[in-house]
Amino acid sequence: GEQVEQRPPHLSVREGDSAFITCTYTDPNSYYFFWYKQEPGASLQLLMKVFSSTEINEGQGFTVLLNKKDKRLSLNLTAAHPGDSAAYFCAVSALGGSALGRLHFGAGTQLIVIP
Amino acid sequence: GPKVLQIPSHQIIDMGQMVTLNCDPVSNHLYFYWYKQILGQQMEFLVNFYNGKVMEKSKLFKDQFSVERPDGSYFTLKIQPTALEDSAVYFCASSSDWENYAEQFFGPGTRLTVL
Repeated sequence: GEQVEQRPPHLSVREGDSAFITCTYTDPNSYYFFWYKQEPGASLQLLMKVFSSTEINEGQGFTVLLNKKDKRLSLNLTAAHPGDSAAYFCAVSALGGSALGRLHFGAGTQLIVIP
Repeated sequence: GPKVLQIPSHQIIDMGQMVTLNCDPVSNHLYFYWYKQILGQQMEFLVNFYNGKVMEKSKLFKDQFSVERPDGSYFTLKIQPTALEDSAVYFCASSSDWENYAEQFFGPGTRLTVL
């Protein structure tokens, strides 16, 4: 089955610096990719969803990169600020078949942005 | 934005007892999910549910687990009897569509401790 590995588990950066988080996956049928943010005590909030055909996706203050050849999904928070401090999770799902609705998550990255 | 609520936020029970975890999904959503996260590990898919039926379940969804949503009320996960290894945070999610690209909206989780 699908294995999703997320690195690093913990990350501290100074305000204004970049924060880079990576997930690798194993299933070549993986097609949909998601990044979620979770603040303490709160729900997971979707940051971005990426379909397999797109490689670079720009969000507000972050970029998501998808490298299908290497089976790697990355989140780059540019110019991080203290409000970005949270846990970040990648999630992957396959294209149709028996995997409908089933998300495979990374273990999460706890990001701390130091003022 | 749309919110998924989970009740209670924490639950402590003795091994062998029954527990029911409650989820109040987004009001117009029809597809529901439970995920389990053991401390320090990945969030893992348990089950998805639609139109009163379990559509898919993982090997983590033991015979002691059951789900239901009677009359459009809470979507519940019942564990009877509980075991020590059931200690985890349980996340409920809902979505408006079955397709894998559909955003799943997550609740904040219920932390279950089995003593």
